[in-house]
Amino acid sequence: DAEITQSPRHKITETGRQVTLACHQTWNHNNMFWYRQDLGHGLRLIHYSYGVQDTNKGEVSDGYSVSRSNTEDLPLTLESAASSQTSVYFCASSEGTVNTGELFFGEGSRLTVL
Amino acid sequence: AQSVTQLDSQVPVFEEAPVELRCNYSSSVSVYLFWYVQYPNQGLQLLLKYLSGSTLVKGINGFEAEFNKSQTSFHLRKPSVHISDTAEYFCAVTPLGGSSASKIIFGSGTRLSIRP
Repeated sequence: DAEITQSPRHKITETGRQVTLACHQTWNHNNMFWYRQDLGHGLRLIHYSYGVQDTNKGEVSDGYSVSRSNTEDLPLTLESAASSQTSVYFCASSEGTVNTGELFFGEGSRLTVL
Repeated sequence: AQSVTQLDSQVPVFEEAPVELRCNYSSSVSVYLFWYVQYPNQGLQLLLKYLSGSTLVKGINGFEAEFNKSQTSFHLRKPSVHISDTAEYFCAVTPLGGSSASKIIFGSGTRLSIRP
């Protein structure tokens, strides 16, 4: 079955370290997204991509970067982790028209920045 | 711009009782509406969506939602809940004709807890 996987599922790091969260989907979807989930805020969009070599900033992109070198992967990098980036991160993908299509989510990556 | 308000952060109900999770939205244009469910330690999955047509939408696991344009609401209902419905539920909205992922707005979530 097609799926979307995230790794690591749990990560503890220190302030100032670089961290990369991996996202791999086998749906062959063109659209991929990174969200962060914080209590009381729901999901907020960090970055998104509509295809290879395409990346766009979302609502809360400061301190994060992504790259899309193939259809399957959209890694999220925190260049210099901050305590405010402690959160649960979700990767998602979709096909077709972004605004009417179903989003398929990974199981999340819980990041703690000490 | 769009916004979504989920009026209840937590809703406790007894097993086999009915439940309604409230969602109101604000938008200057017509919208598409979604409900997603997040079971413990999992990602979100689509419960149901309203794109057009009948305002009563049926989803998985016996849930349904009704789009009310005049009240700008999209409340989620289930006539009889089960322990397995324990989860967090998110309402989401996006404008008609939009093509940007940045326009998909999620509510802050409602945690549904079922008591035996």
